[in-house]
Amino acid sequence: EAGVAQSPRYKIIEKRQSVAFWCNPISGHATLYWYQQILGQGPKLLIQFQNNGVVDDSQLPKDRFSAERLKGVDSTLKIQPAKLEDSAVYLCASSFAGYNEQFFGPGTRLTVL
Amino acid sequence: AQSVTQLGSHVSVSEGALVLLRCNYSSSVPPYLFWYVQYPNQGLQLLLKYTTGATLVKGINGFEAEFKKSETSFHLTKPSAHMSDAAEYFCAVLNRRDGNQFYFGTGTSLTVIP
Repeated sequence: EAGVAQSPRYKIIEKRQSVAFWCNPISGHATLYWYQQILGQGPKLLIQFQNNGVVDDSQLPKDRFSAERLKGVDSTLKIQPAKLEDSAVYLCASSFAGYNEQFFGPGTRLTVL
Repeated sequence: AQSVTQLGSHVSVSEGALVLLRCNYSSSVPPYLFWYVQYPNQGLQLLLKYTTGATLVKGINGFEAEFKKSETSFHLTKPSAHMSDAAEYFCAVLNRRDGNQFYFGTGTSLTVIP
C-alpha cells in the first residue's frame, strides 16, 4: 500500500514570496490533515478535511494560508506571502475516518529567508 | 479543551536499559491515545494506540504503553533500549466528542548511549 506522498521535500524562498505544497493521501482515506511543525515542537494542526469539506481550520492563519482539497483526494496548501516565522516542516496526514490513526507523509521542509 | 504534557523534552538511556517516556493528558472524557515516533527528516510513524478495551497496549519495535485513567497517563515503555530507538517521540490525544481533533505533545527526544 502506497503511503502519503508530499512534494516538494525541501523549499527555500525569500520572505514575501509565495509557496505551495502538494499532498496525495492514501487511497480511500477520507480525512486529510495539514500540520505545521516548528523545530523542537510537536505538530500543530492547520486544517482538517473530510472528503472535500473543511472540518477544522481554526488554527490556519487565513490572511496568508489557504488550502483546498478538490475532488476529495489531493490537497494543496499555499502560503502567500511567506514570513520568516513560517519556516517549519509542513506535514500532511490522512486517515480512513476522523477517529482512526493518522498516517503521515515525509513532510516538506520550508525555509524562509 | 484537551492538552497533552510530555515530561522531559530530552531523555537519555544506556543501551539495554529501560526506556520510560511520560505522557499525561487532560480530558473531560476518556480519549483515544497514541504514541508516534519520528526519525530525522521523516514523517511520524504510529507506534501504538489505545481506543477501548485492554489498557496495556503493545506496539511495534517492542514498545508498549498503559492507559491509567486514574492518573490520566499513557506512559511509553520498552524493557531494553536499542541504538535504533534514538528518535523523537510524540504522544497524541483524540477526543471523539471534540470533533475528532488530534492534540500532540511537544515531544521527547530519546538518546541511546552505547
